[in-house]
Amino acid sequence: GAVVSQHPSRVICKSGTSVKIECRSLDFQATTMFWYRQFPKQSLMLMATSNEGSKATYEQGVEKDKFLINHASLTLSTLTVTSAHPEDSSFYICSARGGVNPATNEKLFFGSGTQLSVL
Amino acid sequence: AQKITQTQPGMFVQEKEAVTLDCTYDTSDQSYGLFWYKQPSSGEMIFLIYQGSYDEQNATEGRYSLNFQKARKSANLVISASQLGDSAMYFCAMREGAYNQGGKLIFGQGTELSVKP
Repeated sequence: GAVVSQHPSRVICKSGTSVKIECRSLDFQATTMFWYRQFPKQSLMLMATSNEGSKATYEQGVEKDKFLINHASLTLSTLTVTSAHPEDSSFYICSARGGVNPATNEKLFFGSGTQLSVL
Repeated sequence: AQKITQTQPGMFVQEKEAVTLDCTYDTSDQSYGLFWYKQPSSGEMIFLIYQGSYDEQNATEGRYSLNFQKARKSANLVISASQLGDSAMYFCAMREGAYNQGGKLIFGQGTELSVKP
């Protein structure tokens, strides 16, 4: 089945530094990827939709200069948290639609997530 | 207004029994998709089952079935023969519009399922 790889799984950084999270579709081409944020015991909140070769579409209330998204190829999207602060500490998870296979293309497959802790 | 509502923050079920997790949705689109995902403590999101708005039959995937009642706008997940490994958070999600028109998912608040031995 479709596999999405996300790295790193956990990162601890100092306040003011930037952190990059990668999301790769391993066995299919993903023209669209999605980035979500999740606080403990809460739902997933969509941050932005990432389209290959174009600018990301951010949800209302998400700072695009804070959360930089790049979708440079059909298999890779990156989320960079710039000048991270403790309030940015959260679980970030990406997802991608499952390629052109009719058996999977209506489904979204998720990476394993990244736990970001900003000290 | 909430697009996806899961009214059960937590549920308990005895091992080997069946359990139903509730989900209601709100949309004016004719074409949409409904999903259930399982999230264990490790954090990964595991796809369980999908129901398209035009699918006339309820979706089934092994021990999982989706009780789709379109007129009531509900999409309840039924897990048969619960196992200890089923203990996790369960999220209902909806995609408004056809999958090739964007495809972003909106998630419900989640239900934490605990299976008792």
